[in-house]
Amino acid sequence: DQQVKQNSPSLSVQEGRISILNCDYTNSMFDYFLWYKKYPAEGPTFLISISSIKDKNEDGRFTVFLNKSAKHLSLHIVPSQPGDSAVYFCAASENYKLSFGAGTTVTVRA
Amino acid sequence: EPEVTQTPSHQVTQMGQEVILRCVPISNHLYFYWYRQILGQKVEFLVSFYNNEISEKSEIFDDQFSVERPDGSNFTLKIRSTKLEDSAMYFCASSGEGRYGYTFGSGTRLTVV
Repeated sequence: DQQVKQNSPSLSVQEGRISILNCDYTNSMFDYFLWYKKYPAEGPTFLISISSIKDKNEDGRFTVFLNKSAKHLSLHIVPSQPGDSAVYFCAASENYKLSFGAGTTVTVRA
Repeated sequence: EPEVTQTPSHQVTQMGQEVILRCVPISNHLYFYWYRQILGQKVEFLVSFYNNEISEKSEIFDDQFSVERPDGSNFTLKIRSTKLEDSAMYFCASSGEGRYGYTFGSGTRLTVV
């Protein structure tokens, strides 16, 4: 299933700087997009989401941008903190069924 | 904060044996899901369940798999005759009226030997 792609398997960023995670999708029927964070031995934890009718949603340090014409979304985390080190999954919903990307491992350096 | 509880956290079983993975969704949630993640691969949708029946299932969810809500609180995934390739983390999730608000459990690591 290649409907949702996260092409960067890892990202290293200095504490206090911006983390930008990218996600591309192919299915134009997706109507909702979500970002999840996952620590080892835990389930995915919901971070932030965006409806397909919007292009930006912000929640504290997290902002998600959606470019429907490019079928691309991104997650910005600013400022990055050591506790942000985790795997981040992009997910897209069609009829409430989620398709996940492969994940990006973020490491925040002190 | 309400959470989805999964038991056991780790299950080892012999190939060909039946396993039941258990989940207690958030109490006022209406929609229930199973996902799995094979080591090194993506999280994959298996099945969704609403109003005591399967609402959607993936091609992975073949006749070996079944789900049940035996009482008002538990949601189970049964694998009838396990295969080596069933080894994975299995995540249960639930959501309420705002259906995009999935809450995932911590997962059950199933190892088939």
